[in-house]
Amino acid sequence: QQQVKQSPQSLIVQKGGISIINCAYENTAFDYFPWYQQFPGKGPALLIAIRPDVSEKKEGRFTISFNKSAKQFSLHIMDSQPGDSATYFCAASKGNFNKFYFGSGTKLNVKP
Amino acid sequence: KAGVTQTPRYLIKTRGQQVTLSCSPISGHRSVSWYQQTPGQGLQFLFEYFSETQRNKGNFPGRFSGRQFSNSRSEMNVSTLELGDSALYLCASSSSGTSTDTQYFGPGTRLTVL
Repeated sequence: QQQVKQSPQSLIVQKGGISIINCAYENTAFDYFPWYQQFPGKGPALLIAIRPDVSEKKEGRFTISFNKSAKQFSLHIMDSQPGDSATYFCAASKGNFNKFYFGSGTKLNVKP
Repeated sequence: KAGVTQTPRYLIKTRGQQVTLSCSPISGHRSVSWYQQTPGQGLQFLFEYFSETQRNKGNFPGRFSGRQFSNSRSEMNVSTLELGDSALYLCASSSSGTSTDTQYFGPGTRLTVL
């Protein structure tokens, strides 16, 4: 049973465009939601994270939008660049435990 | 500071064999987590060790086990390998082991079971 559902599976965006990746969860006990970026041959790397008491968090070109009532959160990549081409994973954890439930991943391709 | 290192990077085994994978966390990190990554199931949590104690465990059969040493290095062992165990095994380390503490992933060990 997938605890965190992620869409789309793949995404093609033109350079300079906005990339949007969505995640949904069912377990209301989740209280920490990170996003990871993974390049081929590498392990995932933390990109940005949010707690449910905040509706939006921005770091550079990356923004997380969080909708607690809908149990959804999304990653927005502004001014997408070819170097952003990677696989992105959303994740969730609960109770400050170091156990994360990951979404299935979105492969982003930014066309020059 | 050196990152998380995993050895070996690639491994080929046959069904029924057992395998041991190693993870060296970032210096000073006390928490080590293990994940299995497959195209079909994505990233799935195996277990987490903190100061030599297993704190969290995922839904994997008992064939999957692990341990952590006093220097925080960790090993995971898979006994009686099955074809479905073919995957990328990732370990991640963090300083204090709380969920909000940044987890740093290693490059993974690619296990192929024939």
